[in-house]
Amino acid sequence: ETGVTQSPTHLIKTRGQQVTLRCSSQSGHNTVSWYQQALGQGPQFIFQYYREEENGRGNFPPRFSGLQFPNYSSELNVNALELDDSALYLCASSWVGSGANVLTFGAGSRLTVL
Amino acid sequence: QQQVKQSPQSLIVQKGGISIINCAYENTAFDYFPWYQQFPGKGPALLIAIRPDVSEKKEGRFTISFNKSAKQFSLHIMDSQPGDSATYFCAASKDDYKLSFGAGTTVTVRA
Repeated sequence: ETGVTQSPTHLIKTRGQQVTLRCSSQSGHNTVSWYQQALGQGPQFIFQYYREEENGRGNFPPRFSGLQFPNYSSELNVNALELDDSALYLCASSWVGSGANVLTFGAGSRLTVL
Repeated sequence: QQQVKQSPQSLIVQKGGISIINCAYENTAFDYFPWYQQFPGKGPALLIAIRPDVSEKKEGRFTISFNKSAKQFSLHIMDSQPGDSATYFCAASKDDYKLSFGAGTTVTVRA
């Protein structure tokens, strides 16, 4: 059973650029959530995808967008990057209907915006 | 607005000692309270979780105590080991959706 894998592990962008982060869900999982973890803080919910549709969003602007593919993998896109977007972006997968939102997290993609 | 407040920010404990981390929440609709453990360079991993219909849950050396009336819950790590050195996050959610995390507690276990 493979876990959640994310790519790239590290990347550096400049303000105003766009970035795409990728995530492969754990085998058997059908839901993907994305979280932003600023340095020294807890993860903050960005959004969740289920059946290729956004299934809820946290307090993040529309320039944060995502996709979920038929194989349950996912992308997080961030447009018009700002310095405050520098963070660890965590993808987590889960199985809806398990009775609890047991999230399996990947190791994250560390984004630095200069 | 932080929905889950966690303390302390960090703690140091001797090997064999007890680590205690506290969390408080405001939203009485929360019905799922997990704790996550995160090592440097890794994503958070579920450690133990509790529902509000029980006051305590124990798994090995880890125990959650839950006080519904006070809207507080805590993690106790008994017989702390150097391998327990990590950052611990409490979290809460409603209807198994959208976890709200605390700010984290860095635990250092001295040998």
